[in-house]
Amino acid sequence: DAGVIQSPRHEVTEMGQEVTLRCKPISGHDYLFWYRQTMMRGLELLIYFNNNVPIDDSGMPEDRFSAKMPNASFSTLKIQPSEPRDSAVYFCASSFGWGPETQYFGPGTRLLVL
Amino acid sequence: GIQVEQSPPDLILQEGANSTLRCNFSDSVNNLQWFHQNPWGQLINLFYIPSGTKQNGRLSATTVATERYSLLYISSSQTTDSGVYFCAVRNTGGFKTIFGAGTRLFVKA
Repeated sequence: DAGVIQSPRHEVTEMGQEVTLRCKPISGHDYLFWYRQTMMRGLELLIYFNNNVPIDDSGMPEDRFSAKMPNASFSTLKIQPSEPRDSAVYFCASSFGWGPETQYFGPGTRLLVL
Repeated sequence: GIQVEQSPPDLILQEGANSTLRCNFSDSVNNLQWFHQNPWGQLINLFYIPSGTKQNGRLSATTVATERYSLLYISSSQTTDSGVYFCAVRNTGGFKTIFGAGTRLFVKA
């Protein structure tokens, strides 16, 4: 398996623009997680899905952020409108099961909002 | 919510040296993982270890759940061990994974 795939790897946009980040989890994994990493706040869990259903989105910072998982092999994280404070590295991770699961992380998307 | 503290925050080692990284958590947990983030930003899961001891090559980890801490041991360190080591926990009955601030390790050749 190719591992968790994220796109784009880098994104530079201007304040107010819509940003869409994409993730393809490892085939067969039933959990998908979106994380954000910043210098100030470290690694934060934003939202996670089980079998394509959002389970806990309490980490989503505000209504400008939304995430979807239309099928088992694809998820998106959207920011609309984007702001400079959204600049961060966004990681997607997937795992099989909730118990002794190992989360496998994608390479991340480095987002810069000017 | 549960608090996760890692120590030391920074560590510089000479290649070949051993080290111990610590993770303290403030509540009972049912999930604890150690991750390594390499200098290129990639996050790699090292151990899933809510209790007990595990070993994988030069790395080993021990979690004493009753005393709310976990230790990551690195023996015979190599330059490729450089990066940030994170402890991440989920408290019993909870759903969120909380990461510590990490220990930044630099191994000198």
